[in-house]
Amino acid sequence: QSVLTQPPSVSAAPGDKVTISCSGNSSNIGNNYVSWYQHLPGAAPKLLIFDNDKRPSGIPDRFSGSKSGTSATLGITGLQTGDEADYFCGTWDAGLDFVVFGGGTRLTVL
Amino acid sequence: QVQLQESGPGLVNPSETLSLTCTVSRFSISSGYYWGWVRRPPGKGLEFIASIYHSGITNYNPSLRNRVSISADTSKNTFSLKVRFVTAADTATYHCARLEDDFDTGGYSFYFDYWGQGALVTVSS
Repeated sequence: QSVLTQPPSVSAAPGDKVTISCSGNSSNIGNNYVSWYQHLPGAAPKLLIFDNDKRPSGIPDRFSGSKSGTSATLGITGLQTGDEADYFCGTWDAGLDFVVFGGGTRLTVL
Repeated sequence: QVQLQESGPGLVNPSETLSLTCTVSRFSISSGYYWGWVRRPPGKGLEFIASIYHSGITNYNPSLRNRVSISADTSKNTFSLKVRFVTAADTATYHCARLEDDFDTGGYSFYFDYWGQGALVTVSS
């Protein structure tokens, strides 16, 4: 069971917008920065968002991040079939003293 | 940009030791940053295993601490992972990655910015 809670799956049509939630507590999300990763099995995970809402160079602005209290959200607009992947949130947990991840959300673009 | 590549046996017998090495290119691990290992078992999510700072400071997932060790060889620009007494539950794709860290009024910022493609390790006799 993961420390951070994500919905197992979300789906939407090409061109649509989707949001993926990540819920934690005051030991992790509530008092630390959140990052988001895209992962296709067999490939290297890709950093999409760091420090709650910052995008690394090369990540399109279709991807956005936000944080409120003990929850964080990843938003993806203009969905493409190439966005089908697993998405994970991550953060530092001060109580556990290591990096924790959500259980992952499988995005299906119908 | 920074490149990481995992290497090691793809098959390990139960109760034996899993050993993996990560070779880093285009960046010297002695220049800074934490360097870590993350695994993903089939059908499951990402799990942090361990990290090492260029100075040798280490951090472990408490659930694995008793069986895991991480080390770095700055002369070869590599870092390595050992998992002892493996079972089928250790079957996973193991990724090495660079871990960026910072701290300010917003809290701790820890995120993996560069990743290796991963090495699938199966524990089976």
